[in-house]
Amino acid sequence: KAGVTQTPRYLIKTRGQQVTLSCSPISGHRSVSWYQQTPGQGLQFLFEYFSETQRNKGNFPGRFSGRQFSNSRSEMNVSTLELGDSALYLCASSLQGQDGAPLHFGNGTRLTVT
Amino acid sequence: SQQGEEDPQALSIQEGENATMNCSYKTSINNLQWYRQNSGRGLVHLILIRSNEREKHSGRLRVTLDTSKKSSSLLITASRAADTASYFCATPGNTPLVFGKGTRLSVIA
Repeated sequence: KAGVTQTPRYLIKTRGQQVTLSCSPISGHRSVSWYQQTPGQGLQFLFEYFSETQRNKGNFPGRFSGRQFSNSRSEMNVSTLELGDSALYLCASSLQGQDGAPLHFGNGTRLTVT
Repeated sequence: SQQGEEDPQALSIQEGENATMNCSYKTSINNLQWYRQNSGRGLVHLILIRSNEREKHSGRLRVTLDTSKKSSSLLITASRAADTASYFCATPGNTPLVFGKGTRLSVIA
């Protein structure tokens, strides 16, 4: 089985721009979660999608949004980028989510905002 | 918000030595998990221990769980340079999993 795939691997954007990150979960996994990882804050939960519905959302501003498609692939979007948005964005999938089952992570997208 | 908190924040040992990392958490859980992250990569699930288990082994890994103290430990025996990574504990919460800030382990050859 192929693992979780995130694209692109690296991104460099300018303040004020917007960005879209993509995640393809493991085949058969219906839950996709997104996390932001920074040295200072560690892993912060962004949101979780299950069957195309946002099931849970972390404490991030509305500039951060996401969606999930019928094939479980997910995208997250960040608008009006700020320097503080520079981070490693990790996507993780699981069969059902929210049941304490292990998460399977992609290798992340490294976003640098200049 | 952080549920688990790892200790120490950083650990440096010689190859062949054992490495012990601890995790404390705040609320009742039904399981606790440990993950490893190599630099700049995604997290990899190592082991899951359920609340009714006290100890679990997987290869060179040994995990203990003390629900009365709300703490867990991860022991890596006979460490290798390839074990150099950050290690995170994670617990179920309102989100799929809540992660601590991790212990950075350096194994020197």
